[in-house]
Amino acid sequence: AQSVTQPDIHITVSEGASLELRCNYSYGATPYLFWYVQSPGQGLQLLLKYFSGDTLVQGIKGFEAEFKRSQSSFNLRKPSVHWSDAAEYFCAVGDNYGQNFVFGPGTRLSVLP
Amino acid sequence: DAGVTQSPTHLIKTRGQQVTLRCSPKSGHDTVSWYQQALGQGPQFIFQYYEEEERQRGNFPDRFSGHQFPNYSSELNVNALLLGDSALYLCASSLASSGHGYTFGSGTRLTVV
Repeated sequence: AQSVTQPDIHITVSEGASLELRCNYSYGATPYLFWYVQSPGQGLQLLLKYFSGDTLVQGIKGFEAEFKRSQSSFNLRKPSVHWSDAAEYFCAVGDNYGQNFVFGPGTRLSVLP
Repeated sequence: DAGVTQSPTHLIKTRGQQVTLRCSPKSGHDTVSWYQQALGQGPQFIFQYYEEEERQRGNFPDRFSGHQFPNYSSELNVNALLLGDSALYLCASSLASSGHGYTFGSGTRLTVV
């Protein structure tokens, strides 16, 4: 069965610092990979997605993620974090039929002024 | 272009009662999925509806049931509510076979007392 792990439960960075959130997945076929962000009490907003092709994908709000098949990873990065980036971040994996969509447990990001 | 709309936004019910949550998908989407997100956890898949039928189901008891209408909107019903059913219920819509990820609503916060 497919699964997603996010090793870091909580990360704190200073505003302006770089950020990397880790995501590892287990999937039997070619995965479709996603990163979502959730502000407190809100739904989930799609940051970016990977289907195929270039393994470095660009998303909204200055985020990017790199797919590494050999490491079964899809880490999210941002070169300079803003205070408004403080939120919960979820990595997810699915198939090309829009099914078997599984979320990781999430990483909570705190940003220090 | 309206996104995914969920109603109500908040709800308080008593143990043993029944509840119905509603979801209108994003325009152009034909598939609706429901997720339960307990506090501090990632979303857990409940079920997915396509062409008015349950296409896939997660590990949830039969107390959780749903329906999809011809206009693609959907309802989630929970019978015999338990305290542990308190959570944020998220609806997500997608286009079948696109695999392009889901668009999420802001959720319904259910509190069972």
